[in-house]
Amino acid sequence: NAGVTQTPKFRVLKTGQSMTLLCAQDMNHEYMYWYRQDPGMGLRLIHYSVGEGTTAKGEVPDGYNVSRLKKQNFLLGLESAAPSQTSVYFCASSYPRGGVTYEQYFGPGTRLTVT
Amino acid sequence: AQSVTQLDSHVSVSEGTPVLLRCNYSSSYSPSLFWYVQHPNKGLQLLLKYTSAATLVKGINGFEAEFKKSETSFHLTKPSAHMSDAAEYFCVVSANTGRRALTFGSGTRLQVQP
Repeated sequence: NAGVTQTPKFRVLKTGQSMTLLCAQDMNHEYMYWYRQDPGMGLRLIHYSVGEGTTAKGEVPDGYNVSRLKKQNFLLGLESAAPSQTSVYFCASSYPRGGVTYEQYFGPGTRLTVT
Repeated sequence: AQSVTQLDSHVSVSEGTPVLLRCNYSSSYSPSLFWYVQHPNKGLQLLLKYTSAATLVKGINGFEAEFKKSETSFHLTKPSAHMSDAAEYFCVVSANTGRRALTFGSGTRLQVQP
């Protein structure tokens, strides 16, 4: 049971290049999330998904797109990278039951630098 | 709407002394509350959670937190700090409806002096 995995761990892009970050979970979780972490700001929600085939915008969605074609995978795309997207990206998953929000399980993160 | 305020950006303690990391929250709904820890260049690990059961919550590594609705607080404590506790700590709130996304505080960096 690997939990939540992220690929790649590190990446350097030039301004204008594109890339896709892959998140995979093997816990059969319904909900998946992408966050970015910047110094002094905690984590902020980019996009999320409440089930296979569904996606929705979070707090900071501009410049990113996502897809959830399979329940276990959640992809984050940058179509035209900008230096402002230099950050550490975390994927998370959870399985809310009833009226209670249970914890989210986080991947190890992807450190992205855009020059 | 929901928000979290961590009242200290840095806390420094001596090894063996108590730890107190302060957190206030705001939520339109009855919330779930969490504390996560992040060691340098690592991912996030859940320390403990409050999900409307007992108000005093015990977590891993000797940490605990008390949910005080009247004060809208969820402070994290540990009786005796260990060097391995040095890390960044995040207080987190989530509504128990809708997208159930987490709203993070800005973090408290805990330093433990020998």
